[in-house]
Amino acid sequence: SQTIHQWPATLVQPVGSPLSLECTVEGTSNPNLYWYRQAAGRGLQLLFYSVGIGQISSEVPQNLSASRPQDRQFILSSKKLLLSDSGFYLCAWSGRAGVSHEQYFGPGTRLTVT
Amino acid sequence: EDKVVQSPLSLVVHEGDTVTLNCSYEVTNFRSLLWYKQEKKAPTFLFMLTSSGIEKKSGRLSSILDKKELFSILNITATQTGDSAVYLCAVNTDKLIFGTGTRLQVFP
Repeated sequence: SQTIHQWPATLVQPVGSPLSLECTVEGTSNPNLYWYRQAAGRGLQLLFYSVGIGQISSEVPQNLSASRPQDRQFILSSKKLLLSDSGFYLCAWSGRAGVSHEQYFGPGTRLTVT
Repeated sequence: EDKVVQSPLSLVVHEGDTVTLNCSYEVTNFRSLLWYKQEKKAPTFLFMLTSSGIEKKSGRLSSILDKKELFSILNITATQTGDSAVYLCAVNTDKLIFGTGTRLQVFP
């Protein structure tokens, strides 16, 4: 069965510090991978998605970047965090084929920028 | 701009009540509509709807889609405290566009 891991679970970082959040998927090959952010009281906002190694699409201009160095690894980064980067970050994966776009979410990382 | 709107924003009920959650959408290139339940962390998948008028059921939960009027409803009958969560609606247009969710609180 497929599983998706994210770490760390929680993170408190000062403004201006770098960020690296990691997401890995097991039990599937060639998944589509996604990074979402959920701010308090708001819906999930898609930040990045990837259909393959090294292929990253950015959905909104922001202070963050993403990379996919391996098929089942997706990394979210920032060189200098802003207060507005605080939120709940979720990684998700989906299969490639057909119209099914059911996405499976990881446990999330709660980031607080102070 | 594609958008998904959920209502109500929050709902407080007692165990045993029946609730109806609403999701309306305006998108180009509609493919499907999905419902998720989010308790403390990761959203978990409930239903995917692609055709109008066909009800999907899972226990006390059911959902239906109206592609003409561009909305979906999620019904929960005989609610239990374990149903307390945020319920998210998302529309697939090659990517998922999420609504802000409905926060349901069920009290004993």
